[in-house]
Amino acid sequence: DAKTTQPPSMDCAEGRAANLPCNHSTISGNEYVYWYRQIHSQGPQYIIHGLKNNETNEMASLIITEDRKSSTLILPHATLRDTAVYYCIVHNAGNMLTFGGGTRLMVKP
Amino acid sequence: EPEVTQTPSHQVTQMGQEVILRCVPISNHLYFYWYRQILGQKVEFLVSFYNNEISEKSEIFDDQFSVERPDGSNFTLKIRSTKLEDSAMYFCASNLSGGPSKSQYFGPGTRLTVL
Repeated sequence: DAKTTQPPSMDCAEGRAANLPCNHSTISGNEYVYWYRQIHSQGPQYIIHGLKNNETNEMASLIITEDRKSSTLILPHATLRDTAVYYCIVHNAGNMLTFGGGTRLMVKP
Repeated sequence: EPEVTQTPSHQVTQMGQEVILRCVPISNHLYFYWYRQILGQKVEFLVSFYNNEISEKSEIFDDQFSVERPDGSNFTLKIRSTKLEDSAMYFCASNLSGGPSKSQYFGPGTRLTVL
């Protein structure tokens, strides 16, 4: 699976959009971009995934650049409960997910 | 909404003892996984399981570890002779099919403390 690079931490004001970037410049054509989050040692929670097109669900939006070398997870109206570590994972063949260090998002009142 | 469940939430054991961690995956899922997270470190893949066989395992998953689906609902991780360094959170996950197109859903974890 391709390597991903994320900022180690970010702050966001409550009620504002949180935009979490991820670089995956070595991504190959059949690799999916996944986002999970982990709230204080709980189990990782699936957020969203995509291959080429932008995706939106009830939790977030995923914007993938045309060259697929980077993506952004958008939480449209961050709440205090969105404080967590967010993981961007590029997933290809096989079954295992490879977690990196992620971005620690702190939502502040 | 269906969830992956895990028991116990916290297990304390003495070094050298055997432990069994239990998971109930989401009912129509076919692929099952164990991951672990040592305190302050990354989440690490241990093993994947499909059709009553291990389909993939990491270097961490040595002969001390085994997995089993003893009935139609449970999925277990056994550590034969625990070591201090096995202390970690253990997460079970499941998904409908393997590969990258289907997301994995994780349970809340079992905190294993080896004394």
